[in-house]
Amino acid sequence: KAGVTQTPRYLIKTRGQQVTLSCSPISGHRSVSWYQQTPGQGLQFLFEYFSETQRNKGNFPGRFSGRQFSNSRSEMNVSTLELGDSALYLCASSSGLANEQFFGPGTRLTVL
Amino acid sequence: DQQVKQNSPSLSVQEGRISILNCDYTNSMFDYFLWYKKYPAEGPTFLISISSIKDKNEDGRFTVFLNKSAKHLSLHIVPSQPGDSAVYFCAAAVDRTGGYNKLIFGAGTRLAVHP
Repeated sequence: KAGVTQTPRYLIKTRGQQVTLSCSPISGHRSVSWYQQTPGQGLQFLFEYFSETQRNKGNFPGRFSGRQFSNSRSEMNVSTLELGDSALYLCASSSGLANEQFFGPGTRLTVL
Repeated sequence: DQQVKQNSPSLSVQEGRISILNCDYTNSMFDYFLWYKKYPAEGPTFLISISSIKDKNEDGRFTVFLNKSAKHLSLHIVPSQPGDSAVYFCAAAVDRTGGYNKLIFGAGTRLAVHP
């Protein structure tokens, strides 16, 4: 079974631009969650999508948004990028029930 | 406000000895706890979990202990191996919708196991 894949793996953007990151969950998994990891911080929950609906949301500004497609693939968008948005963005999938999440390798975003 | 705290940013242990990683939480609503291991340039890998109805869960060399009254959990690795060297994250969740998919993570502890 293929794992969680994320594209692109690395991205460099400038302040004010917007970016879209993509995540393909494990086949059969209907839940996709997004996390941000910055130096010195743990992983911070952004949001979770289940069956194309946002089910949970973290404490991030509205510049961070996401969506999920009918095939469970998910995208995350960040508009009006700021320097502080530089981070590793991780996507995790699960079946949506009470079990562990499986993480992808992440997308390393650098904002200049 | 950090709801999950890992107060030791790093830990160094000799191969074959026990590694003990600690985690404290403040939210008494948390009822599911997990440990993840992360190598550089990879996503976190699930290690072991525990529900709040238990106080111990074992899986091979890994054991997680939960002390609800102290809001404290720990991960024991016995015996420690060099391949265990990684960053370990503690995570907690509140079951709201039938799934534990909003995980709150600690800042991580970097474990170094040396020969």
